[in-house]
Amino acid sequence: AAGVIQSPRHLIKEKRETATLKCYPIPRHDTVYWYQQGPGQDPQFLISFYEKMQSDKGSIPDRFSAQQFSDYHSELNMSSLELGDSALYFCASSSRGRGNTEAFFGQGTRLTVV
Amino acid sequence: DAKTTQPNSMESNEEEPVHLPCNHSTISGTDYIHWYRQLPSQGPEYVIHGLTSNVNNRMASLAIAEDRKSSTLILHRATLRDAAVYYCILRETAGANSKLTFGKGITLSVRP
Repeated sequence: AAGVIQSPRHLIKEKRETATLKCYPIPRHDTVYWYQQGPGQDPQFLISFYEKMQSDKGSIPDRFSAQQFSDYHSELNMSSLELGDSALYFCASSSRGRGNTEAFFGQGTRLTVV
Repeated sequence: DAKTTQPNSMESNEEEPVHLPCNHSTISGTDYIHWYRQLPSQGPEYVIHGLTSNVNNRMASLAIAEDRKSSTLILHRATLRDAAVYYCILRETAGANSKLTFGKGITLSVRP
């Protein structure tokens, strides 16, 4: 069965550069979530989209932006990268995002800022 | 978001059952109880969820207290591949979007 696809899997950027992370949800899933997980930490919610509209916002820095496109894939854009942005970034997708449905996570993008 | 409380860690022997507890005393009537687990360097993986009744699937069982203020994830025969961080999460039913808020999960170690 198709899973959530994230690209790239690994990314190395220098400080002050920009990065774009992509997420392709499971077919027919209309809700996408982005999470950041620093070393030794638990996943922190950044932002989510439902039917191509932003539906919830967490601890996402102003330097970051995201959107969901007409084909439901999503991109997380990160500008003015800082060393502290080095982390695993996970995308998850869900059908309608209701409490009685499960979310499926991608394998993540490991971002290293040097 | 309603909070959950889990022990920091637990150890188990291979092929023995494991009971992972979770307290959620502030749960609302519309919150589903979800469990996810995360293996090292991998994305979180869905395990099971339930509302009021106990639930079983191929991975685990979920026992929910009658007052819904606590629940227990049961792995019937632990294997080495079950060693992971297990997260108990409350997820709202209402609304078209309900994020998963990860707290401090429980780290399960499995001894051969």
